[in-house]
Amino acid sequence: NAGVTQTPKFQVLKTGQSMTLQCAQDMNHNSMYWYRQDPGMGLRLIYYSASEGTTDKGEVPNGYNVSRLNKREFSLRLESAAPSQTSVYFCASRLPREATAGNEKLFFGSGTQLSVL
Amino acid sequence: AQSVAQPEDQVNVAEGNPLTVKCTYSVSGNPYLFWYVQYPNRGLQFLLKYITGDNLVKGSYGFEAEFNKSQTSFHLKKPSALVSDSALYFCAVRDALGSSNTGKLIFGQGTTLQVKP
Repeated sequence: NAGVTQTPKFQVLKTGQSMTLQCAQDMNHNSMYWYRQDPGMGLRLIYYSASEGTTDKGEVPNGYNVSRLNKREFSLRLESAAPSQTSVYFCASRLPREATAGNEKLFFGSGTQLSVL
Repeated sequence: AQSVAQPEDQVNVAEGNPLTVKCTYSVSGNPYLFWYVQYPNRGLQFLLKYITGDNLVKGSYGFEAEFNKSQTSFHLKKPSALVSDSALYFCAVRDALGSSNTGKLIFGQGTTLQVKP
């Protein structure tokens, strides 16, 4: 199994450009998450999707939109990139709520390093 | 508000010595606590969790963590450090606010562990 796959791995944007970060998981997980990682600040939740067809804001949603395209895929879109969005972005997924073993464990992708100039 | 704090940006230990990475938490209700590790250019990997039960929790790669309710701490420990343990470690608490279990995690700032030969 590939687990959680993120594309692209690296991206450089100019201020004002748009782009979509892709995430897919092949573990039949219901819940998916987008986090950003910044030095000294840990990981902060941008958006999450508890199940297919639902999305909710996390701690830092401004400037982002998401789409839960189907159970496997959860994309993050920057409509007009800003230098403050320079970060490493991680997608994660989680077992269904009804799972009794390890249902709190998140599985992470390898990240997308985004620079906005 | 739920939060976790990792008071040390970096911990340095010699190979073979015991290591401790500190974490304190603030939650309303029962804490659901986690440790994750991040190796360079990789996503986070689950190490261990505390939900209920024994205060000493054992996890992957020989790591363990001690839950201390009176001190609101959840320190990560290993009896004998390896050079390969060098990585970035994150403590996290489940965001239990609200009636639904969304699986959202709140992460600490991260602690870099450097194990020297």
